[in-house]
Amino acid sequence: NAGVTQTPKFQVLKTGQSMTLQCAQDMNHEYMSWYRQDPGMGLRLIHYSVGAGITDQGEVPNGYNVSRSTTEDFPLRLLSAAPSQTSVYFCASSYGSGRGETQYFGPGTRLLVL
Amino acid sequence: EDQVTQSPEALRLQEGESSSLNCSYTVSGLRGLFWYRQDPGKGPEFLFTLYSAGEEKEKERLKATLTKKESFLHITAPKPEDSATYLCAVQAGDVNNDMRFGAGTRLTVKP
Repeated sequence: NAGVTQTPKFQVLKTGQSMTLQCAQDMNHEYMSWYRQDPGMGLRLIHYSVGAGITDQGEVPNGYNVSRSTTEDFPLRLLSAAPSQTSVYFCASSYGSGRGETQYFGPGTRLLVL
Repeated sequence: EDQVTQSPEALRLQEGESSSLNCSYTVSGLRGLFWYRQDPGKGPEFLFTLYSAGEEKEKERLKATLTKKESFLHITAPKPEDSATYLCAVQAGDVNNDMRFGAGTRLTVKP
C-alpha cells in the first residue's frame, strides 16, 4: 500500500491564482481531512469528509473548497490564493471518524503564495 | 477554550541522556490523546493513543503516560535517530474533527 499520497510536493503561486492540491489514499478509509501547519502553531483542520459525497468545515475553512466524489480522493481547492495561505498542507485519513481513530498523514505539500 | 500546550519548544540531549516531553491540555471531555513523530519535510507519523488517566504505552525507547491534565513522552537513552519533532493532539469529541494539535517539541539528540 502507498498509504496517503499528496501532489504536488511544492508549489509557488501568485496572489489571485487558483490551484488544486491532490490527496489520495489506498487504504479504503472513510474519513479524510486536510490540515495546514504553520511555524509555531499546531496543525489546524481546514475541511474533512466522513465519506464519499459528505464534506464539512473545520477550524480554518475560509478560502478553501473540497469535494469527495470517491472514497480514495479528497482534493483541496484554493479559489484565489493569498499570501496568508502560504503554509504546509497535510492530508490525513482514518478508517472511521470515531473516538480514538488513528489518522495517517501524507507527506505534505509546501505552498508559497507571492 | 480547548487548548493543547507542549513544552519545551526545543530540547537538546546528548545520546543516552533520558528526558521527558510534556503535553498539557485543557479540553472538556477528553476522548483520546495522540502522540506523533514528525521528521523534517515529512508528515506526522503515529506513535501512541492514550484514552484514560493512568494509561501508559511503550515503544522501543519511548513511553507515553497520561494524567487528567497532561501527558508525558519519556525518552530513555535516546539515540541520534530519535531526533524529530514530537506532536501531541487531543480529541475532545466523538469524531476526528474535534482534534486539537500542540505546536510540538523539537528534539535534537547529539552523538
